[in-house]
Amino acid sequence: NSKVIQTPRYLVKGQGQKAKMRCIPEKGHPVVFWYQQNKNNEFKFLINFQNQEVLQQIDMTEKRFSAECPSNSPCSLEIQSSEAGDSALYLCASSRQSSGNTLYFGEGSRLIVV
Amino acid sequence: TQTVSQSDAHVTVFEGDSVELRCNYSYGGSIYLSWYIQHHGRGLQFLLKYYSGNPVVQGVNGFKAEFSKSDSSFHLRKASVHWSDSAVYFCAVGGSNNRIFFGDGTQLVVKP
Repeated sequence: NSKVIQTPRYLVKGQGQKAKMRCIPEKGHPVVFWYQQNKNNEFKFLINFQNQEVLQQIDMTEKRFSAECPSNSPCSLEIQSSEAGDSALYLCASSRQSSGNTLYFGEGSRLIVV
Repeated sequence: TQTVSQSDAHVTVFEGDSVELRCNYSYGGSIYLSWYIQHHGRGLQFLLKYYSGNPVVQGVNGFKAEFSKSDSSFHLRKASVHWSDSAVYFCAVGGSNNRIFFGDGTQLVVKP
């Protein structure tokens, strides 16, 4: 059973609505990744953190996506104004190190934008 | 740029058969290679990983994979599959740049 906790498992939003997903990494894992998995199983790396700092992120040029990992709070990924193309499974994973280590995934948050 | 190619989108076998799921990669530096399994609608679970040393890596549930630098491959194998092995399998490659790239997955269907 995954020790990475993602909530909610499902969320349904209308176009233009805000969508927020949360992730509690496995205890002792300072590195957190967010991936978007589309209906064709394709993975898109979004962002990763080490503790509270961003390590790498895609060019979120539309600025609709934002993420943070505050201390003593769950990490979060937020879409400011959802679009139909954002419908996907959002996977959070944590790791002991930023590279070379196994990723431990949560069960994902499935976003459906109607 | 790292790329991961899983040439077979779907593989169907019968219970008890052996199976090989193919993975080829391209990367210009030192890398580590992994396989993950995803059951329908769930998160990914780690199967095994190679970084250095013995090119044959043993994983959970009888899975193993063999790294080949000359072929740029890291194929996953199992000698005798069970119906519960039906899932999507992802090959992943990571380097020193904090990024991990996933292939598009191979859907394995094990028929009784």
